[in-house]
Amino acid sequence: DAKTTQPPSMDCAEGRAANLPCNHSTISGNEYVYWYRQIHSQGPQYIIHGLKNNETNEMASLIITEDRKSSTLILPHATLRDTAVYYCIVRLNNNAGNMLTFGGGTRLMVKP
Amino acid sequence: GAVVSQHPSRVICKSGTSVKIECRSLDFQATTMFWYRQFPKKSLMLMATSNEGSKATYEQGVEKDKFLINHASLTLSTLTVTSAHPEDSSFYICRAQIYTGVRNQPQHFGDGTRLSIL
Repeated sequence: DAKTTQPPSMDCAEGRAANLPCNHSTISGNEYVYWYRQIHSQGPQYIIHGLKNNETNEMASLIITEDRKSSTLILPHATLRDTAVYYCIVRLNNNAGNMLTFGGGTRLMVKP
Repeated sequence: GAVVSQHPSRVICKSGTSVKIECRSLDFQATTMFWYRQFPKKSLMLMATSNEGSKATYEQGVEKDKFLINHASLTLSTLTVTSAHPEDSSFYICRAQIYTGVRNQPQHFGDGTRLSIL
């Protein structure tokens, strides 16, 4: 699976949009971009995923660049409960059971 | 939506004790379950992959005799930390793979087990 690079930490003011970047310059054509977050002492929670089109759901929006070498997760109105570590993962669609390899993630701190 | 239940959520026990952690898929069949370990302020590290009815596949550096994995049914996998020592203290998380024939599906994690060995 392709490696991802994320900033180790970010701050965001409550109520503002949080934009979390992820670089995946070696992504291959059939790899999807997934985002998860992990709130302290809990298991990772799925947020959103996409292949090449931008995606939006009730939690967030995912913007993928045209060359697919980077993406941005957008939390439109961050709340204190969005404080967590956010992981960007790219993964193959293979027979190995859909391996997930976690990088360091971005520790997002939402401040009042 | 799909739910993965992990039990217990926290264990504190004496050195030398063996501890069993259960991971259940509550409303779906999980052909594959994954076990991760996480140290404080670190990312998740894959320990092993288990397929129902067969032996688990361990990642390099993970002792299979220390971390026994059983995946006896499509809804239950267990991780047993044998003769646990303080260095085994960690946060253990399971993940269940839904078999739907469509591979790009979100993955479902348990809420983790915090193991503390005194």
